[in-house]
Amino acid sequence: DAKTTQPPSMDCAEGRAANLPCNHSTISGNEYVYWYRQIHSQGPQYIIHGLKNNETNEMASLIITEDRKSSTLILPHATLRDTAVYYCIAANAGGTSYGKLTFGQGTILTVHP
Amino acid sequence: DAGVIQSPRHEVTEMGQEVTLRCKPISGHDYLFWYRQTMMRGLELLIYFNNNVPIDDSGMPEDRFSAKMPNASFSTLKIQPSEPRDSAVYFCASSSGLLGELFFGEGSRLTVL
Repeated sequence: DAKTTQPPSMDCAEGRAANLPCNHSTISGNEYVYWYRQIHSQGPQYIIHGLKNNETNEMASLIITEDRKSSTLILPHATLRDTAVYYCIAANAGGTSYGKLTFGQGTILTVHP
Repeated sequence: DAGVIQSPRHEVTEMGQEVTLRCKPISGHDYLFWYRQTMMRGLELLIYFNNNVPIDDSGMPEDRFSAKMPNASFSTLKIQPSEPRDSAVYFCASSSGLLGELFFGEGSRLTVL
């Protein structure tokens, strides 16, 4: 799996958009970009994933650059409950690599009032 | 659905004792994963099953660890004998395998004294 690089921490004001960057310059053509988050003392929670097109769901938007070497997770209106560690993962979505998510250190997002 | 259910939530045991962690995946999911999380190593995949069959156990640290999935609704992770360095939070996750997300349980926090 391609290595990903994320800033160790970020702050965001409540109600504002949180934009979390991720670099994955060695991503291969069949690797998806996944985002998970882990709120303190809970299991990781899936947020969104994409291959090359931008994606949006009820939780967030994922913007992937055209060369696929980086992406940005956008939480449009951050709340205090969005405070968590956010993991960006590049991984194959099929075959024997399925589910073998390599979690790095992630970005600690702190949303403050 | 209640989500992925793990038990026990907390376990404190003494070195040398046998530990059994249990997991009930989401009904209908045919992939099951065991992850371990420590401060030093972060989240790491131990083993995963597809249709109750172990597919990849390369992450299992050593022979003291074993995992079984006797049916589609139950899996165990056993450590025998346990050692202090096994202290960690163990997460179980399941998935439908359709390029979708992994659903994690709340974890089992193991402390080996």
